[in-house]
Amino acid sequence: DTAVSQTPKYLVTQMGNDKSIKCEQNLGHDTMYWYKQDSKKFLKIMFSYNNKELIINETVPNRFSPKSPDKAHLNLHINSLELGDSAVYFCASRGTFAFNYGYTFGSGTRLTVV
Amino acid sequence: GDSVTQMEGPVTLSEEAFLTINCTYTATGYPSLFWYVQYPGEGLQLLLKATKADDKGSNKGFEATYRKETTSFHLEKGSVQVSDSAVYFCALSPMDTGRRALTFGSGTRLQVQP
Repeated sequence: DTAVSQTPKYLVTQMGNDKSIKCEQNLGHDTMYWYKQDSKKFLKIMFSYNNKELIINETVPNRFSPKSPDKAHLNLHINSLELGDSAVYFCASRGTFAFNYGYTFGSGTRLTVV
Repeated sequence: GDSVTQMEGPVTLSEEAFLTINCTYTATGYPSLFWYVQYPGEGLQLLLKATKADDKGSNKGFEATYRKETTSFHLEKGSVQVSDSAVYFCALSPMDTGRRALTFGSGTRLQVQP
């Protein structure tokens, strides 16, 4: 069973569209994250939820809106897509003791805006 | 704030060569340190970790030692293989994980030639 699963794996869409990426984890973790990886492979934190509460909200355009219906799911909705939104988006989760054990990442969603 | 600095790549080596990828960090207190690996077209996998000073993390022939005095966590492998070709990320997790996330370095691409 996949620990952290993201869908879709690939997403190609036109500028101006609205799209969503879904993430689910079956590890029983309390905290989930969205990271953005740009074309130079740099990883930047976007959002984090702990047990459905938003705890990290970095400087991200408000076209991006995360939603966590329960602690096992964290979705990312993007309005009015722009060319610069093209990137790979990674979902991750961590348990209470991730200080010691690290974070588990999904396989990523490659978003291409044309 | 927390930061991680890695040597720039790409690093190109011949098979069976010795590998070192430098990583230094800036953080308050005693963060946990990690190396993640991203194979082409895939997500991030935890390679190894260390949670306190002088700890040595190891996995798949890779090693890294947590050096508090030099704030470093350099990745080493005695004999690389073509299959080690990937992007390697150094990362830290702060002691206070409550409202903070994993901070990554910029990644170092390793290319191993047969």
